[in-house]
Formats: sequence, C-alpha cells, structure tokens
Amino acid sequence: DGGITQSPKYLFRKEGQNVTLSCEQNLNHDAMYWYRQDPGQGLRLIYYSQIVNDFQKGDIAEGYSVSREKKESFPLTVTSAQKNPTAFYLCASSRDRAPGELFFGEGSRLTVL
Amino acid sequence: AQTVTQSQPEMSVQEAETVTLSCTYDTSESDYYLFWYKQPPSRQMILVIRQEAYKQQNATENRFSVNFQKAAKSFSLKISDSQLGDAAMYFCAYRATYILSNYQLIWGAGTKLIIKP
Repeated sequence: DGGITQSPKYLFRKEGQNVTLSCEQNLNHDAMYWYRQDPGQGLRLIYYSQIVNDFQKGDIAEGYSVSREKKESFPLTVTSAQKNPTAFYLCASSRDRAPGELFFGEGSRLTVL
Repeated sequence: AQTVTQSQPEMSVQEAETVTLSCTYDTSESDYYLFWYKQPPSRQMILVIRQEAYKQQNATENRFSVNFQKAAKSFSLKISDSQLGDAAMYFCAYRATYILSNYQLIWGAGTKLIIKP
C-alpha cells in the first residue's frame, strides 16, 4: 500500500542534542512538507520541498534543517538551536506543488528531557 | 494575510445526531480552496472534504457536507448520523491559488469532536 512512513513514533532527547526524524513516501509525490503541531494551535509549516534537491523555509524554520536528496525521502533535523522542540511533528506529501490533497504520516512525538 | 478561525475548541454530539463545526476565514482573494481534515486519535490526518471557491455548489461526501458562504467567508462542516468513528480533531484549512502564495495551506486551530454513545 502506498503511504507515508514516519519514524520514530516517539523520541526522547536531551537538551543540546540534535535529532533527525525520518519521513519516507512511496506515493511518487513531488512535494513534501514538515509541520509542527502543538496543543490548541493549527499546524505550522517548518519546511517544504516541491522538487528534489530544493526546499524552502516555512513559517517556523529556525532551529530546524532538512534535505531532499531523493524524491521519496525528506528527513527533518531538530537542532540544539531550537528553543522549544517538544512537539508533535507531522510529515505530509502532495502530488504536486499546488496540493488538492495532503497525505500525512502518523507523526513523531519528540520530547526533550 | 489570510487567517482561518475555528471558534469552537470542542464540540460534543450524541451518536446518530447531526453536528456542525464552524470555520471562518479572511482573504481578499476571489479564488481559493477550502478543506476539512480529520485527525483521529491514531493521529493520521486525512482529508474529509474540499471546496473550490468558484464552485457555488456545496461539496458533499457521504455523511459529510459543507455550508460554504463565500460572502460571509464561512465554511462549516456538517456531519450527519454521527458515528463513534467520527470522534477526532477536525481542522479547517485554506489554500490560495496564486503562485506567490507558494500554495501553502493555512490552518485553523482545530475543533475536538466528542461522540456520546
């Protein structure tokens, strides 16, 4: 079945450590996205990529980094520069850059100890 | 800048009844898309329904329908014959159609829907 796989589902990090969240899709979609979800807030866009080897900052990119070396993969690194990294992270993809529908992974819950 | 507002943080409905979730948005554009997404406790978000602003007819998908009032900038979701599986967070989202927007979605804060058996 086609879909988006995020891993790990739960991750604990000590302050000062970088962590990388994985996102893989087998839908052959061009565009991929990383969102952050906090209680009581809508989804906030961290980074997005509309084509391989290219990506753009979203609304809250500070303290995060991404790469898009392969169409299927869009990993997100939460760096030690991110002041409040504890959150739920959602990866999504769409067939093209003007999404009629986003397809989401199950999310990764990051907790900083 | 466009904004999306969901004024009901939480709603509850008796099983088999009908419930309406509210969404308002602010934009100066005439053409755009509106979406309702559902995020059940398993946390995988899925699209419920989509409306294109230039279409006058309200979108429907089985038990889900929208009341799209373009002049009032209102986009409510009606769920008929509510089922236990409808319990979830529901998010309203807006997407512009012009290229300078980068086609990114703008999200409301969500409404938690509770179904009472």
